[in-house]
Amino acid sequence: KAGVTQTPRYLIKTRGQQVTLSCSPISGHRSVSWYQQTPGQGLQFLFEYFSETQRNKGNFPGRFSGRQFSNSRSEMNVSTLELGDSALYLCASSLYGQGGDYGYTFGSGTRLTVV
Amino acid sequence: SQQGEEDPQALSIQEGENATMNCSYKTSINNLQWYRQNSGRGLVHLILIRSNEREKHSGRLRVTLDTSKKSSSLLITASRAADTASYFCATDAGDSWGKLQFGAGTQVVVTP
Repeated sequence: KAGVTQTPRYLIKTRGQQVTLSCSPISGHRSVSWYQQTPGQGLQFLFEYFSETQRNKGNFPGRFSGRQFSNSRSEMNVSTLELGDSALYLCASSLYGQGGDYGYTFGSGTRLTVV
Repeated sequence: SQQGEEDPQALSIQEGENATMNCSYKTSINNLQWYRQNSGRGLVHLILIRSNEREKHSGRLRVTLDTSKKSSSLLITASRAADTASYFCATDAGDSWGKLQFGAGTQVVVTP
């Protein structure tokens, strides 16, 4: 079956702009989590969506937001981009938002560069 | 903030040798998972060990968990060049939807 698909793979934006990233989970998975990975802070949890509802949120400013659609696809949006938002953004899908016996399935990520 | 530490930060070995990396964490967990990441791409799930398990095997991987010491180790036996990657431990507290707490990772280089 198809894996987790993230688009686009690479993105270059200018400070102050906004950006939208997309994640399509594995078919049948209803939970999508988002992570930010930077060399300095490592992997940090952004938020989790399940059945179109945000159930969990990490410690990020309100400029970071997301949503989930009825087909479980999720988008995350970052407004008023800052240089420090440059990172690899990863999404992970699971059936119910807990890893169960098999952990989470991650996408290949979107590499965002803010200039 | 990250859940814990991984040790060593980097590891260089030759093909055929074993690679061992350790992970410590700070809070109670439901399970601990190990992931591999190649060159800044996505994470690949390797193995999950529950808090009531002490050891688990999967192919060339062996994971141990000591909840009294809040630590885990990952052993890769008979390493191959294709094992070159960063390895991350991640803890699932079981009380936070969709959230894993990752360690800083161990960068492993396997030379032919």
